[in-house]
Amino acid sequence: QKEVEQDPGPLSVPEGAIVSLNCTYSNSAFQYFMWYRQYSRKGPELLMYTYSSGNKEDGRFTAQVDKSSKYISLFIRDSQPSDSATYLCAMSMSSGGGADGLTFGKGTHLIIQP
Amino acid sequence: DAMVIQNPRYQVTQFGKPVTLSCSQTLNHNVMYWYQQKSSQAPKLLFHYYDKDFNNEADTPDNFQSRRPNTSFCFLDIRSPGLGDAAMYLCATSAYGGPELWTYNEQFFGPGTRLTVL
Repeated sequence: QKEVEQDPGPLSVPEGAIVSLNCTYSNSAFQYFMWYRQYSRKGPELLMYTYSSGNKEDGRFTAQVDKSSKYISLFIRDSQPSDSATYLCAMSMSSGGGADGLTFGKGTHLIIQP
Repeated sequence: DAMVIQNPRYQVTQFGKPVTLSCSQTLNHNVMYWYQQKSSQAPKLLFHYYDKDFNNEADTPDNFQSRRPNTSFCFLDIRSPGLGDAAMYLCATSAYGGPELWTYNEQFFGPGTRLTVL
């Protein structure tokens, strides 16, 4: 079963706020967890990836994976209007989805109000 | 810059009229994927090529076909488009080298082709 749940939003927050985006999943075979950002009418671009459980930080972005709860999160600190986009979580059983592609959530539409 | 290119960016076709979408890449990646993304929905994998090996998802309709004549190019053919096939079609590539868990092979996406069916 390949299923990923993600609240589509929209999620509207003021500039400078901390944003929390989340996904839950049902397939315990997923090993790689990614967050993609998609601007309107553009293809997704990779923000971060995490292998297995744990945290990963990159600048203003922090990704967390809790495999025991089948729950992943993306935190954005000091949010900027340029962060306004749709954020898609994605996961796969193999590295980069090489052997089986990526399974995506529907995406959360994020709006940062100036 | 190395990249994934999709043509055309916008395609309008008539109900039942065959259409071909194109994807090319300068990354020299061995895997190419096609995803379908309907409005406000998750991108859904249709199929992928691992080198020359074609891998079709079980629920991909027979109406959808793909060709990969060489490493750089991949085509999506929709033989008889229906209204329900209107969507954004995303091409992606990755340099998958095997099941090693300590490496990560990013999947790079093109800008997509938005298909309208009249």
